[in-house]
Amino acid sequence: GQSLEQPSEVTAVEGAIVQINCTYQTSGFYGLSWYQQHDGGAPTFLSYNALDGLEETGRFSSFLSRSDSYGYLLLQELQMKDSASYFCAPMDSNYQLIWGAGTKLIIKP
Amino acid sequence: DGGITQSPKYLFRKEGQNVTLSCEQNLNHDAMYWYRQDPGQGLRLIYYSQIVNDFQKGDIAEGYSVSREKKESFPLTVTSAQKNPTAFYLCASSDLQGARVNEQFFGPGTRLTVL
Repeated sequence: GQSLEQPSEVTAVEGAIVQINCTYQTSGFYGLSWYQQHDGGAPTFLSYNALDGLEETGRFSSFLSRSDSYGYLLLQELQMKDSASYFCAPMDSNYQLIWGAGTKLIIKP
Repeated sequence: DGGITQSPKYLFRKEGQNVTLSCEQNLNHDAMYWYRQDPGQGLRLIYYSQIVNDFQKGDIAEGYSVSREKKESFPLTVTSAQKNPTAFYLCASSDLQGARVNEQFFGPGTRLTVL
């Protein structure tokens, strides 16, 4: 079967670093994507990991361990505008993204 | 600018009426998707299409119908058979041929309320 686990909510302070973990189980696996969605908006693509290791894009980094079916999104130098929901979305063998309920990131000043 | 448009942004309908949500893309993407999102939840796949004149059911296709007569367009009809249609509907597309096959581009969404 398919399953996806992320924390439902994470709280952090402006300027700090936060890590959002994701564990998954899919039928076939091509890679792991991360999306950001602000309240009332559409998801926007953040990053994609096809291979093990860390991918860095500015303040955001994403990590994948295929053997552990685990990944995380690391957000550094948090800003108030980073308050949003973050979704990890593994891609299965049919090129379909698997979506969970996401992690709501709350940032306090 | 290339992108995906959905219209309208807000839609109100009476119970028992069919309603069609528009989705158009000018990104020349092969694949298009319809998702439903309920408050505080993730995205659930309704239908997807990887080529013109062909589409596949997703996880929650019951009560919905789609067509893909043109590459650019993928309208979704919410029928009266859908028991709880009030939700946020998101259309997306992706390029199955390119290097960014993993990336789905989303439209701004349509918030449907059935009264």
